[in-house]
Amino acid sequence: KQEVTQIPAALSVPEGENLVLNCSFTDSAIYNLQWFRQDPGKGLTSLLLIQSSQREQTSGRLNASLDKSSGRSTLYIAASQPGDSATYLCAVIGIKAAGNKLTFGGGTRVLVKP
Amino acid sequence: KAGVTQTPRYLIKTRGQQVTLSCSPISGHRSVSWYQQTPGQGLQFLFEYFSETQRNKGNFPGRFSGRQFSNSRSEMNVSTLELGDSALYLCASSLEGALGEQYFGPGTRLTVT
Repeated sequence: KQEVTQIPAALSVPEGENLVLNCSFTDSAIYNLQWFRQDPGKGLTSLLLIQSSQREQTSGRLNASLDKSSGRSTLYIAASQPGDSATYLCAVIGIKAAGNKLTFGGGTRVLVKP
Repeated sequence: KAGVTQTPRYLIKTRGQQVTLSCSPISGHRSVSWYQQTPGQGLQFLFEYFSETQRNKGNFPGRFSGRQFSNSRSEMNVSTLELGDSALYLCASSLEGALGEQYFGPGTRLTVT
């Protein structure tokens, strides 16, 4: 059974510092991994999608890496801003699961202090 | 292009009642998935529909059911509501296949009293 873990559960950094968010998964047989952002009480906003054949994906200040063999992904957010405060979730689609089922980690709650 | 829409956004129901939630996917998307989010359990997969067929189902009791219409819109129904069903219900849509990016709606906040 696929399990996804995100550590730490919460993180507080001063504005301008780079953020490093970790995601680990137990079964490396995945189609892809997706990072999301969630603001309190809101839906999920997709940040980056990494296919299993890719090593990294970049969008603006965001960069996500994927090491399938070790079951890890890292999301880097450069030069953090107070607007980056949110909960960040990673999720994988496993090859053994039918269809588009996402298995989520518990999320990392980020606070960027001005 | 319009995003995923969910209605209603908020609901308050009493134990024992039933509820129906609606999700309209992004135009052209044929896959719709439903998730339940609670503080204790996080995000849990309920089920996925593709071309009006349930393709995958999570570990939830039979009180939770869903369907998809020919225009890809989907509904989920919860019967005999329990206090523990209070949650944020999210739906996601994607193009065919497991390689596609999934897009989530704003969710429906269900409170059971």
